Amino acid sequence: GAVVSQHPSRVICKSGTSVKIECRSLDFQATTMFWYRQFPKQSLMLMATSNEGSKATYEQGVEKDKFLINHASLTLSTLTVTSAHPEDSSFYICSASRQREGAEQYFGPGTRLTVT
Amino acid sequence: AQSVSQHNHHVILSEAASLELGCNYSYGGTVNLFWYVQYPGQHLQLLLKYFSGDPLVKGIKGFEAEFIKSKFSFNLRKPSVQWSDTAEYFCAAQGGGYQKVTFGTGTKLQVIP
Repeated sequence: GAVVSQHPSRVICKSGTSVKIECRSLDFQATTMFWYRQFPKQSLMLMATSNEGSKATYEQGVEKDKFLINHASLTLSTLTVTSAHPEDSSFYICSASRQREGAEQYFGPGTRLTVT
Repeated sequence: AQSVSQHNHHVILSEAASLELGCNYSYGGTVNLFWYVQYPGQHLQLLLKYFSGDPLVKGIKGFEAEFIKSKFSFNLRKPSVQWSDTAEYFCAAQGGGYQKVTFGTGTKLQVIP
């Protein structure tokens, strides 16, 4: 159990367009979902934390108007990269947790975004 | 600020060699600790975790880690590695009662047959 999926796995878009990435918990209800960004040869950087039914909490330096996060249900969170630019090209990973605090996170396979 | 540091960026071992990957964290108060593994082409998977209790934690695939509070360390060990252990290993820490998990920069392990 505890499977998290992401869609799409890869996406290429033109500069200025918006891209939506979905994160789903397939066999459990995710009270909390997390969005990370991974740069080449670097670790995962937490972008934001979202609890179902609440506004996402963004980490310092992450533009909330650029990276829109919606956690409308206990099994789905979406990340929309608005007006994408080449510097937004990265590997985006989501994770989901059954509990709000002190719980294990289950990771999705990630989405490779390339902005041309 | 909370931080996690992994000392080794790239480790190369022969099969059957013993492994120890270092991890140090900087947190005040209680802390939850994790080791995740990312096999080539796959997503992150949990190897083991420490929340409380016995500081020697056993995980999957023969891995174990020891929480040494006085040293702020949570090193990962395996007595005899296999080629299939080739992967990237991430140490992570979470302040007790908080959701945010901070990851280390990762260690790439290459096991030579």
